[in-house]
Amino acid sequence: DAGITQSPRHKVTETGTPVTLRCHQTENHRYMYWYRQDPGHGLRLIHYSYGVKDTDKGEVSDGYSVSRSKTEDFLLTLESATSSQTSVYFCAISSGQGYEQYFGPGTRLTVT
Amino acid sequence: DQQVKQNSPSLSVQEGRISILNCDYTNSMFDYFLWYKKYPAEGPTFLISISSIKDKNEDGRFTVFLNKSAKHLSLHIVPSQPGDSAVYFCAASAINSGAGSYQLTFGKGTKLSVIP
Repeated sequence: DAGITQSPRHKVTETGTPVTLRCHQTENHRYMYWYRQDPGHGLRLIHYSYGVKDTDKGEVSDGYSVSRSKTEDFLLTLESATSSQTSVYFCAISSGQGYEQYFGPGTRLTVT
Repeated sequence: DQQVKQNSPSLSVQEGRISILNCDYTNSMFDYFLWYKKYPAEGPTFLISISSIKDKNEDGRFTVFLNKSAKHLSLHIVPSQPGDSAVYFCAASAINSGAGSYQLTFGKGTKLSVIP
């Protein structure tokens, strides 16, 4: 299994509070991604990174920001959480060589 | 506008029979296709992939077929086992588009139930 961890695994927070989710990899892969999974929508890309300090927006980036200061860590921040951001968040990594992405275990976020 | 479509939300199959999961895409730039399997409370796991230069790829009980003219791919599982019960996601990428990001576009998933 690819070495990907996500923290926290579960979080409940209130509307309007900031939240940061962390993805950590031990594979030294260049590419990292944040997805959200919602019923009826499958997996949708929020943001991705193609190197340290290099990030770009995905399909559903509004309300989210990311940072990558080290190869191994990719942070997803909700500046002011809303109920519509209640979801399961998955981090993924890719070397860019084999094209496959490998996913972490997910973080279940509930915004009340 | 959904670029990758899995039109069957669910599928039930008897153990030992063939499971066929279907996927359609609309973006002609897609040139690499993948299937992922997902169990509840776990992350998706990579299952099998196919490049657009091929029309078939096989790995054990799993075979993916690609029909580029119809923009359609399918995943065959033979024989189906109860442990195959999961949600299956089809995904596509435009590897040679020059974007360099290797982004994947996912379908909404098909829940497969294999009945013992």
